[in-house]
Amino acid sequence: EAQVTQNPRYLITVTGKKLTVTCSQNMNHEYMSWYRQDPGLGLRQIYYSMNVEVTDKGDVPEGYKVSRKEKRNFPLILESPSPNQTSLYFCASSLRITNHEQFFGPGTRLTVL
Amino acid sequence: GNSVTQMEGPVTLSEEAFLTINCTYTATGYPSLFWYVQYPGEGLQLLLKATKADDKGSNKGFEATYRKETTSFHLEKGSVQVSDSAVYFCALSLYNFNKFYFGSGTKLNVKP
Repeated sequence: EAQVTQNPRYLITVTGKKLTVTCSQNMNHEYMSWYRQDPGLGLRQIYYSMNVEVTDKGDVPEGYKVSRKEKRNFPLILESPSPNQTSLYFCASSLRITNHEQFFGPGTRLTVL
Repeated sequence: GNSVTQMEGPVTLSEEAFLTINCTYTATGYPSLFWYVQYPGEGLQLLLKATKADDKGSNKGFEATYRKETTSFHLEKGSVQVSDSAVYFCALSLYNFNKFYFGSGTKLNVKP
């Protein structure tokens, strides 16, 4: 089954404790992206990747890191989480950037205390 | 800059009512336009898309027409069902920016 998986689905952590949210797709997609969803703000793009070893900032990259060492995986790293990073996070992938449907993962709800 | 503006919700309708959710955009270039739907507790799913001016996207009774002259991509459905209750997001992508831009989402509640 074609899908995007994220882990964990739920995470409660404390300020400053490094964490990684994993994302994996099995569709051989080139483009992958991370979004955060906050009430009233919709989805905002954090980072995206055009292909292996090619990543770039979205609109809200501060406090986040990503890497793309393999085509299927695109982890999101929070080196020192803060309460303002409490949010619902979605990973998405698509064949290429334009005209192509993005497939979304189920989401990760992160709470930083 | 590039952005998407949607009408604020929630929108509450009775079953079989006509639905319109307004979406307008600002883009430096020629975007592709999308409507995504998010059901409770799930990720987003593509509902329909249009890639050039005057294209009409349609799926599951929903329609939207890419209007370049008014920079709009309004979502319509002739007769909504309770199962259409969800949050709807308008979005655009721009090849030269390698990014997607989403609106803030419009929550639709359909009552029996």
